[in-house]
Amino acid sequence: EAEVAQSPRYKITEKSQAVAFWCDPISGHATLYWYRQILGQGPELLVQFQDESVVDDSQLPKDRFSAERLKGVDSTLKIQPAELGDSAMYLCASSPNTGITGELFFGEGSRLTVL
Amino acid sequence: TQLLEQSPQFLSIQEGENLTVYCNSSSVFSSLQWYRQEPGEGPVLLVTVVTGGEVKKLKRLTFQFGDARKDSSLHITAAQPGDTGLYLCAGAKAGGFKTIFGAGTRLFVKA
Repeated sequence: EAEVAQSPRYKITEKSQAVAFWCDPISGHATLYWYRQILGQGPELLVQFQDESVVDDSQLPKDRFSAERLKGVDSTLKIQPAELGDSAMYLCASSPNTGITGELFFGEGSRLTVL
Repeated sequence: TQLLEQSPQFLSIQEGENLTVYCNSSSVFSSLQWYRQEPGEGPVLLVTVVTGGEVKKLKRLTFQFGDARKDSSLHITAAQPGDTGLYLCAGAKAGGFKTIFGAGTRLFVKA
């Protein structure tokens, strides 16, 4: 069964360091999402791509976060510099359509701890 | 601002009991999804409802979409320890791209 792949699963870093997360969506899925989930809360959308284009990054803290999906397939989310408040689970999801039905397929997530 | 409110936030019950969790909003959604998430894992899609008043059943789970497409409920019959997890509802607006999530209901089923 096709899955969304994410790496690394776990990352521990010190504040002010740079961090990068990678996501490979299900093959053929045009829409890719990065969500952040703080412990005890629901996922919060950071950025959404349609193919290689950003369609929503209104909640992405652009002073320190960046995301790209250069060839419209896999994607990288970067944080530089990391802050203590960035500790969270970073979830990647993909969808086979333009988001009309809202069905998302998630990876296992990347858990970030900033010390 | 869209907001999906889930209740209760936390539920601890004995194996065999029935339960209902709720997802409410003041906004109309074109579709609503329910996900289940286990600790340290990503959410897994359980069901999508798209029609007002729609009822879907998945074994012991019954999902209902409100007539006005603003709310939904999840009913579990004869809960089992394997049902333990975080249940998230998520809504998508018609023609839009953004899917928003509620904060979830954390369910713990004791054997």
